[in-house]
Amino acid sequence: DAKTTQPNSMESNEEEPVHLPCNHSTISGTDYIHWYRQLPSQGPEYVIHGLTSNVNNRMASLAIAEDRKSSTLILHRATLRDAAVYYCIRSNRKLIWGLGTSLAVNP
Amino acid sequence: GAGVSQSPSNKVTEKGKDVELRCDPISGHTALYWYRQSLGQGLEFLIYFQGNSAPDKSGLPSDRFSAERTGGSVSTLTIQRTQQEDSAVYLCASSLADGQPQHFGDGTRLSIL
Repeated sequence: DAKTTQPNSMESNEEEPVHLPCNHSTISGTDYIHWYRQLPSQGPEYVIHGLTSNVNNRMASLAIAEDRKSSTLILHRATLRDAAVYYCIRSNRKLIWGLGTSLAVNP
Repeated sequence: GAGVSQSPSNKVTEKGKDVELRCDPISGHTALYWYRQSLGQGLEFLIYFQGNSAPDKSGLPSDRFSAERTGGSVSTLTIQRTQQEDSAVYLCASSLADGQPQHFGDGTRLSIL
């Protein structure tokens, strides 16, 4: 099964770091790991992607395990606008989407 | 700059009617994707266009669904003889090339009465 495994929901407080885990134990050597997020009534928004090395951009950081069977999306300081459903996806073309993690951010 | 644009944003139609959904990708993006999302679910891949190559139609759920991409830009998803189970949000995305991050429109919410 190409789907990834994520917790259904997580909660964080504003201005605290958030670590969103993802398991992809059957990932192949050429599959990238992509993260998207989706706010209510909007299309998904690209967050970050990587293959083997940890990646940073203005939105988040992606930490990939050495065996590539898991990864963690890190939001360094959560804001209320970060409340969304976060999807972790293997590969890119024909993205195979699971149900994602619904992140709630408390003020 | 302009993002991916989809129209209409909402469509309500009667069972059995045909519908056309339109997607304007970001200029210069060679790859275009259609997905649908049912309430509370993740996205389901429908079809993928890459340049002049034959489209990947492996996700289309039945022969009532078809899509075209004219001139490598605008795409139209057509659903014939709509059924109630076709009710969903239909999302379009484009990317610079295969394997690059995808940019999504806000979707068309289709309701079949």
